[in-house]
Amino acid sequence: DSGVTQTPKHLITATGQRVTLRCSPRSGDLSVYWYQQSLDQGLQFLIQYYNGEERAKGNILERFSAQQFPDLHSELNLSSLELGDSALYFCASSVGTGPIRGRNEQFFGPGTRLTVL
Amino acid sequence: DAKTTQPTSMDCAEGRAANLPCNHSTISGNEYVYWYRQIHSQGPQYIIHGLKNNETNEMASLIITEDRKSSTLILPHATLRDTAVYYCIVRVETGANNLFFGTGTRLTVIP
Repeated sequence: DSGVTQTPKHLITATGQRVTLRCSPRSGDLSVYWYQQSLDQGLQFLIQYYNGEERAKGNILERFSAQQFPDLHSELNLSSLELGDSALYFCASSVGTGPIRGRNEQFFGPGTRLTVL
Repeated sequence: DAKTTQPTSMDCAEGRAANLPCNHSTISGNEYVYWYRQIHSQGPQYIIHGLKNNETNEMASLIITEDRKSSTLILPHATLRDTAVYYCIVRVETGANNLFFGTGTRLTVIP
């Protein structure tokens, strides 16, 4: 158990819909990361937040957005869903954001499996 | 971040050492080598990381060549639970902290 929790575990929805995925980081971790893993793309970094502020952006679509709240939990919002958005979505957390040497290991949650029909 | 090359798949007998190689010939002086693994659709798990010295923890050992162009992750006594995809990632320690996963090595531990 990494200490990172994600809800829901599974989500089935239809094209065009909007969903919200939730992540609670490990106690004490200030950074939250979102990754997408689909069969044809592998694990891809989407976005990072550090203490409530966006810190880095990867291959995140404009239809997707995220935020980190004052209690440090994060939500990933996916809208206008398409069949190709079906994937595993992982959240990870770390103590640092990059500048803290030796404290940048990321701990991953169990993921949310999104199926778009 | 430097690119890495890993074999697509490997087998290892249960109880034997599993040696997983990784080439990172374009690695820069300030880039670390990280290893993660992913057991069948679970979240990736951090294993170990190092800069130039060999490292060991409770999970594995990391051997980095003197020229730092390649490394080997060693699982000293592989068990069936070590069957997973292993990712070698090279990244700057103090830069952006997002991880770039390649295709990794699928390790199968055989009873």
